[in-house]
Amino acid sequence: AQRVTQPEKLLSVFKGAPVELKCNYSYSGSPELFWYVQYSRQRLQLLLRHISRESIKGFTADLNKGETSFHLKKPFAQEEDSAMYYCALLYFQGGSQGNLIFGKGTKLSVKP
Amino acid sequence: DAGITQSPRHKVTETGTPVTLRCHQTENHRYMYWYRQDPGHGLRLIHYSYGVKDTDKGEVSDGYSVSRSKTEDFLLTLESATSSQTSVYFCAISKTGQKGTEAFFGQGTRLTVV
Repeated sequence: AQRVTQPEKLLSVFKGAPVELKCNYSYSGSPELFWYVQYSRQRLQLLLRHISRESIKGFTADLNKGETSFHLKKPFAQEEDSAMYYCALLYFQGGSQGNLIFGKGTKLSVKP
Repeated sequence: DAGITQSPRHKVTETGTPVTLRCHQTENHRYMYWYRQDPGHGLRLIHYSYGVKDTDKGEVSDGYSVSRSKTEDFLLTLESATSSQTSVYFCAISKTGQKGTEAFFGQGTRLTVV
């Protein structure tokens, strides 16, 4: 069965320090992975997706199929990065467009 | 925000009462989803819809039902609310474009069952 694992519930770093939020997945098909972010009392929004190979707000994430990982990284954390981060996997069942399954989330706290 | 609105935004209800949450979208998307968000559990899929009157169960569907009588509205009903259903509920739509599939979320409904 498909699964997304985010091992850290909380990650606390100081401003300017590097950040890595871990995500591992389990899926028998070809994975399509995403990182979503939720700032305080706001809706979830897409941060980045692996197929775009883009950098958003200084964040990058590389899909490593050998390690089944999709870790989110930023070299220098900013206070405004403090938020809840969710890793998500798009899986397909039947003829659907695909459903997203989310990890449990990691709360990032960037201290001044 | 892909034109998604949820109502109500906050609700307090008593155990055993029925509750209906509404998700409304303005962009005619086919796929709609209901998730619940709980600390330590992340987001879990309750039900989803792939068209008018076409719905299916997600990971945590027990105690919930849904209806979609028209494209723009996806209703989530708790037939008899329980305290374990206290949560934040998010509606989402998905659309596929040149960059692939992306989900857009509503602002959430905070439901408290007392």
